[in-house]
Amino acid sequence: AQSVTQLGSHVSVSEGALVLLRCNYSSSVPPYLFWYVQYPNQGLQLLLKYTSAATLVKGINGFEAEFKKSETSFHLTKPSAHMSDAAEYFCAVSLYNFNKFYFGSGTKLNVKP
Amino acid sequence: EAGVTQFPSHSVIEKGQTVTLRCDPISGHDNLYWYRRVMGKEIKFLLHFVKESKQDESGMPNNRFLAERTGGTYSTLKVQPAELEDSGVYFCASTEDSGANVLTFGAGSRLTVL
Repeated sequence: AQSVTQLGSHVSVSEGALVLLRCNYSSSVPPYLFWYVQYPNQGLQLLLKYTSAATLVKGINGFEAEFKKSETSFHLTKPSAHMSDAAEYFCAVSLYNFNKFYFGSGTKLNVKP
Repeated sequence: EAGVTQFPSHSVIEKGQTVTLRCDPISGHDNLYWYRRVMGKEIKFLLHFVKESKQDESGMPNNRFLAERTGGTYSTLKVQPAELEDSGVYFCASTEDSGANVLTFGAGSRLTVL
């Protein structure tokens, strides 16, 4: 069975500080992993994805994530937070056919001035 | 290119009433998905259409939920009769090809059942 755990429903950082959003997964087969972001009143937008190529994946807006099989993790990072990064972030896992995604419960990122 | 459009953005109904949510996918996208997020929990898969056919409806909670996609264009999700636990945000997503690994999501329809 597939599942995703996001540690911390709320994370608060200061502008310019490191952003670290944690995601651990379980999957019965090699997974494909994704991070989505939702800004207020908007749909989920793809930040980045891991589909069995390089384990360090770079996404939009300066975000990146590293797939660590031994730790079953796919944590999202950004070196320097910006006010515009305040949003809710979702980690997701999908199987080979991409027709069903399993999402975590989301992490709300607050960026303090 | 227009995105995935969902209507209404917010619906408030009483227990026992009926609500119909609508999703207009991106034009030409054969694959349409419904997901639901209940009370700040994880977003869960409900079902998947390929054109007008239900490919996978394993996530539908019970027979109070009926999804249709007549003509393979827009889709509706009807809840009848609505219960308190149906409250949440219903997301629609679409993609052109089965197996494409990027879904385009709508902004969601928030359903509040009182």
